[in-house]
Amino acid sequence: NAGVTQTPKFQVLKTGQSMTLQCAQDMNHEYMSWYRQDPGMGLRLIHYSVGAGITDQGEVPNGYNVSRSTTEDFPLRLLSAAPSQTSVYFCASSSPGDAFQYFGPGTRLTVT
Amino acid sequence: GENVEQHPSTLSVQEGDSAVIKCTYSDSASNYFPWYKQELGKRPQLIIDIRSNVGEKKDQRIAVTLNKTAKHFSLHITETQPEDSAVYFCAASKYDYKLSFGAGTTVTVRA
Repeated sequence: NAGVTQTPKFQVLKTGQSMTLQCAQDMNHEYMSWYRQDPGMGLRLIHYSVGAGITDQGEVPNGYNVSRSTTEDFPLRLLSAAPSQTSVYFCASSSPGDAFQYFGPGTRLTVT
Repeated sequence: GENVEQHPSTLSVQEGDSAVIKCTYSDSASNYFPWYKQELGKRPQLIIDIRSNVGEKKDQRIAVTLNKTAKHFSLHITETQPEDSAVYFCAASKYDYKLSFGAGTTVTVRA
């Protein structure tokens, strides 16, 4: 199993550009989440999904969209990138009844 | 929503000594408390977790204690080694898919 994979590993965007961060898992997990990590602030939940077709907002959802058309994939879309979205983004997945969250390797995003 | 506070933000210990990190949470409905270790440039890795029906859990040199009444939980690392140097995060959750993280503790083990 590859576990949780994320692409790209690094990305530089200009203010106003849009892009999609990809996340996939091959463990048949129902739950998937996106977090951002900023220095001194831990990880903050952006959006999460409890199954295909079901998504909801986390703590810091503004400026981001998600969709979950399949169990495996949970892409995160930046609609119009801003410097405040410079961060490291982690995707995670887990199963019902097993709160252990598997994290992907992360995407380091810089917005100039 | 849940608010998790973590202290200290940095911790320097002599190799072989113990390290203790403390966290408090605000939502009394939270029932799952994991601890993650993150090395520089790597993803967070779960090192130990505890459910609210358990007061203490131990795994070799690592232990976690939970006080539900006071709404705080702690990570204890004994006999610290250089490879224990990392950033440690506590988290709390009442749903399996939504973790609220503390701000992290940078642990440095001095040889």
